Order: sequence, then C-alpha cells, then structure tokens
Amino acid sequence: QVQLQESGPGLVKPSETLSLTCTVSGDSISSYDWSWIRQPPGKGLEWIGHIYYSGNTNYNPSLKSRVTMSLDTSKNQFSLKLSSVTAADTAVYYCARLGRNWADFEYWGQGTLVTVSS
Amino acid sequence: QSVLTQPPSASGTPGQRVTISCSGSSSNIGTNPVHWYQQLPGTAPKLLIYVNNQRPSGVPDRFSGSESGTSASLAISGLQSEDEADYYCATWDDTLNGVIFGGGTKLTVL
Repeated sequence: QVQLQESGPGLVKPSETLSLTCTVSGDSISSYDWSWIRQPPGKGLEWIGHIYYSGNTNYNPSLKSRVTMSLDTSKNQFSLKLSSVTAADTAVYYCARLGRNWADFEYWGQGTLVTVSS
Repeated sequence: QSVLTQPPSASGTPGQRVTISCSGSSSNIGTNPVHWYQQLPGTAPKLLIYVNNQRPSGVPDRFSGSESGTSASLAISGLQSEDEADYYCATWDDTLNGVIFGGGTKLTVL
C-alpha cells in the first residue's frame, strides 16, 4: 500500500522560502515519477511541478522561477522549495505519485496547510 | 480563470444520473487524455477516471468518463449521497507544457 506524507512548517514569512518534504512508503521513489499540487483555501487545484525518477523536473511556467524540486533516494523522500513567497502562496500543498499519462495522479498525500504571514 | 472550463455546480437527487462537462482546446483535451478527480470535503483528491474512461481499481462502475474532440464528460449514475464532492478534470497542455486542471464542479445531492 503506497502512502505519502507531507511535512514542513505550517507558517512561513513573506519573502522567505517554503520548504516541504514528502515521505513515501510502500514504493521506491526511484521507480516512479512524483508531483506537487496545491490548493488555496476554498479554491481549485494548481499543479506545481513534476520530478521524474531520473531527477529531471518540469515546473508550472507561472511558478518556474521560484520552484525547486529534488529527490533523496536514501530517505525515499522528495522535496519542494518555493522561494519569495507571498500571501498568494497560502494553500494546502499535496504531494502525489504520477501515473503514466502526465496528469494522472494515482496516489496523494493528505496535504499540509502552509500559511504565509508575518 | 482555468484553461479547462467546468460548470461551478451540479446537482441531482438520489438515483439520478448526472453529467459534468469539461471543455478545453486542441492543445489539451484535443491531444491528450483527460483524467477526473473526486475530492470529498476535507480530504485529498482521489483519482476517479484516468485516460478518458478508465476506472482505477475500487472505483464503482457508476462512474464513467467520455471524451470527444476538445471536450470531456464525467457521468455518475445511480447518484448516492456519498457522491457529494468537488470534481476536477485534468490533462496536459502542449502549449503551456504543463498540467492543467478545470476549475472544479461542486456536486450536491439533493
């Protein structure tokens, strides 16, 4: 049974960097591709980016200048960094396992709320 | 405003059949498969339909998907109270070079 769990600070100050980690169990992150998706309170879903098992990445063009994703195969984790955050980055952040069709997220974490506020 | 257009709301009574539409363009639905997600209140989204009309293991056959041209639809037959949720379509967009989601449809079971 594949399980994903997001972790990281729930409060980030404006202009600082948001950092989240997704810990995967039941799967090797070296065997699949992974993604981050976010959802502002009361709003819809927004794709942040993919990180492939090779370590290559593909980011949402609207966030690309501020996003960095990476893999840590020794811990079976992958991570997200989003720099220069503003209140508009306040959202529930989900990590997910990507299927074979570029937008089919087969397994999701429970999500973690990150609030940007001073 | 989302690249994929969904009605913001839909409703039906128990037992009814409801459809939710997702309208796109040649650079997304017209070229790439569509997937549907169900988000129950307070929970993470769940993959409901993938590649236009395929159901993951465990998804009841009351849920079905279809695609034609630059539009796709999700149909729910034999509507049940537990189907009350937000539904999102998603696909890849070749112009944006990324994943796009519809704005979501809130389904109410009356």
